[in-house]
Amino acid sequence: DAGVIQSPRHEVTEMGQEVTLRCKPISGHDYLFWYRQTMMRGLELLIYFNNNVPIDDSGMPEDRFSAKMPNASFSTLKIQPSEPRDSAVYFCASSLAGQGTQPQHFGDGTRLSIL
Amino acid sequence: DAKTTQPNSMESNEEEPVHLPCNHSTISGTDYIHWYRQLPSQGPEYVIHGLTSNVNNRMASLAIAEDRKSSTLILHRATLRDAAVYYCIPWMDSSYKLIFGSGTRLLVRP
Repeated sequence: DAGVIQSPRHEVTEMGQEVTLRCKPISGHDYLFWYRQTMMRGLELLIYFNNNVPIDDSGMPEDRFSAKMPNASFSTLKIQPSEPRDSAVYFCASSLAGQGTQPQHFGDGTRLSIL
Repeated sequence: DAKTTQPNSMESNEEEPVHLPCNHSTISGTDYIHWYRQLPSQGPEYVIHGLTSNVNNRMASLAIAEDRKSSTLILHRATLRDAAVYYCIPWMDSSYKLIFGSGTRLLVRP
């Protein structure tokens, strides 16, 4: 079975450029989550969707970050303009349901470096 | 959210059992106890979860203390592939958030 697919795996770009990270969740999963991992802050939830609708975006750092889910099989996380402090590994995860009985399945992440 | 305490690191020999402890003394009665692990350069991977009873699956066993203030993840025969950071996460059934702490880094010696 295909797991959560993220692209690109690595992204290096200059400060000020727009960055778009992509995610394809597992088919049939109703929930999609975006996380960020840094050495300083560990793994943090940025935003999650239920049935393509954003439910909680309280973890999004600031207005430079935006996320969309135009359909059940695709989501994007966009940073515009990017800054060096946005350098991190970004993970997408999906699950059948959001509550504590259902595991989340993670992709392998996008390693983002902003120069 | 319940606070967890895990050792920063542990070591094990290959093919020996490993017991990874977690204290979650502030856990509430409806919090599930989830364990995830993260191998190098990969995303977190679900391992196991439970509420009150001990649980077994193909990857590991989870032993939950009777007062639920601690739990232990048991890998019955560690392999080199089990070297990872292991996260213990109390998770409210009504919540949608997995809150990752710093976890335990497991080193497996050949």
